Amino acid sequence: QKEVEQNSGPLSVPEGAIASLNCTYSDRGSQSFFWYRQYSGKSPELIMSIYSNGDKEDGRFTAQLNKASQYVSLLIRDSQPSDSATYLCAVNNAAGNKLTFGGGTRVLVKP
Amino acid sequence: DAGITQSPRHKVTETGTPVTLRCHQTENHRYMYWYRQDPGHGLRLIHYSYGVKDTDKGEVSDGYSVSRSKTEDFLLTLESATSSQTSVYFCAIGAGGGTDTQYFGPGTRLTVL
Repeated sequence: QKEVEQNSGPLSVPEGAIASLNCTYSDRGSQSFFWYRQYSGKSPELIMSIYSNGDKEDGRFTAQLNKASQYVSLLIRDSQPSDSATYLCAVNNAAGNKLTFGGGTRVLVKP
Repeated sequence: DAGITQSPRHKVTETGTPVTLRCHQTENHRYMYWYRQDPGHGLRLIHYSYGVKDTDKGEVSDGYSVSRSKTEDFLLTLESATSSQTSVYFCAIGAGGGTDTQYFGPGTRLTVL
């Protein structure tokens, strides 16, 4: 079983709709959780970090964390064609010095 | 890219030749990382450094070595490149600590023929 799991997609979303991405992880000691966006041929770019249970909002992005259920999610509101990318979930180890990445979810926003 | 450069950006080499990739940062971050990214495998950690001359292995370290003689530079060496090492290599940096965030460089596309 992979340590960090994501649905590979593609997740097809109409422009203006909400895209919902999920990620589950296996290490109960993990304390830090990250979402990265990666455009084709580019490097991963940090869009959200979350450390406590609950929701964290930043513009059109909302990250949700539930440590008891070991999942973290990302909502993209008012999706735009420019949001079309692969979204990587990353989880820190208990020591806080390494990240484990999920395989990524490809999102396609259709005009 | 948060003050991170990688060189070269593209390289084509032949099986059996040595290859060195360089990562340079201007952020004075303690941690530096080398990842490879392959279709179907995602991002995988090769090696990382937690200070000058302090390095440790990641999950896919076989066939790779690293060195860090200065805070700003982290080198990845393929002693004898193989076709299975054809990949995109990313360097990342982090300040350290339990809530550490990593920032990625632009990547190096390596092709081993």
